[in-house]
Amino acid sequence: ETGVTQSPTHLIKTRGQQVTLRCSSQSGHNTVSWYQQALGQGPQFIFQYYREEENGRGNFPPRFSGLQFPNYSSELNVNALELDDSALYLCASSPGGPNTGELFFGEGSRLTVL
Amino acid sequence: GESVGLHLPTLSVQEGDNSIINCAYSNSASDYFIWYKQESGKGPQFIIDIRSNMDKRQGQRVTVLLNKTVKHLSLQIAATQPGDSAVYFCAEKDFGNEKLTFGTGTRLTIIP
Repeated sequence: ETGVTQSPTHLIKTRGQQVTLRCSSQSGHNTVSWYQQALGQGPQFIFQYYREEENGRGNFPPRFSGLQFPNYSSELNVNALELDDSALYLCASSPGGPNTGELFFGEGSRLTVL
Repeated sequence: GESVGLHLPTLSVQEGDNSIINCAYSNSASDYFIWYKQESGKGPQFIIDIRSNMDKRQGQRVTVLLNKTVKHLSLQIAATQPGDSAVYFCAEKDFGNEKLTFGTGTRLTIIP
């Protein structure tokens, strides 16, 4: 176990709705990254948060947004859901700042958009 | 653009034999590489990493080899066990960059 917990584990939404996914990072880890993993693919970087600010973003539209809280936990928000947003959303935490190598992943939140 | 790919999407190995999973990368600026194992329904699990100033690194039953000349990475698993069955991803990053780039994965199946 990595100590990274995500909720909910599974959820189903319909097109156009909004979703919020949550992540509690491993104790002492101040950096949180979010990844999207489509079925049969490798994870794709969405963005990273460090000291409650976005610190780098992948090729995702603005309707993907996030937050990091003072206790280092984080949220991923997706507005105006599309069918292609169906995926496993992974949160990963790391110690020691944004350029630390090793990431500790949670088990993910599986989102299905109908 | 940068990309990380794998030579083989699937690999079947007899239990007890050694496994070799290969990976090619194209970003010459990458200086840090990680292998992850992902079991069904779970998040990626760190296996081993290597920095670009090294050619080889060994862990428990695993060895990672890095050939920067041909931009190739491999993961060797010794004496494979049924619990090694999973999808294996290589990932790379530029250490000054926050983004980890994953390949599409290789599914390793251990035959009893």
